[in-house]
Amino acid sequence: GIQVEQSPPDLILQEGANSTLRCNFSDSVNNLQWFHQNPWGQLINLFYIPSGTKQNGRLSATTVATERYSLLYISSSQTTDSGVYFCAVDYKLSFGAGTTVTVRA
Amino acid sequence: DVKVTQSSRYLVKRTGEKVFLECVQDMDHENMFWYRQDPGLGLRLIYFSYDVKMKEKGDIPEGYSVSREKKERFSLILESASTNQTSMYLCASSPDGYEQYFGPGTRLTVT
Repeated sequence: GIQVEQSPPDLILQEGANSTLRCNFSDSVNNLQWFHQNPWGQLINLFYIPSGTKQNGRLSATTVATERYSLLYISSSQTTDSGVYFCAVDYKLSFGAGTTVTVRA
Repeated sequence: DVKVTQSSRYLVKRTGEKVFLECVQDMDHENMFWYRQDPGLGLRLIYFSYDVKMKEKGDIPEGYSVSREKKERFSLILESASTNQTSMYLCASSPDGYEQYFGPGTRLTVT
């Protein structure tokens, strides 16, 4: 199956800081999603982005399919951004291990 | 908005019991999925269904079965619950098999 690697595994930010999360995948994909897992365990859809760039408020994402990576940008981070961010690819969703983000006030 | 609901947020069962986890979606999606999430192992696909009465095994189907009698409902069945099935179970649905929408999850504890 497709291997998905996320980096960094952990990220500690001061409120207001910007950050970039990376997702590398081992083969071409037709699907790539970014999720935020909230403290109750639910996976919240952030972006469906098999290619190109999208923005939603303070979050944006870019996928360069030909180079097999995707980036998630968090700008002006807030404490509510804390949690685990997952990248997942392909039809049956192979997940990366996630990046745990902690935003400190 | 897509809504995926799961029958319980928390569930405690005894070893050997038959356990049903229910998932319902309200968007007429063809595809539905069951995953489990465990610390250190991440999220893994158990079963999925691409149509009513159709099902396919995922990466870890052992000890589980599924049922999809109606389009909106996908059930995960633990035939005889064991302690190694203690986990967080997540259901998802998708219109095309690609963009997936997840329910709130069920934290199952088997004692």
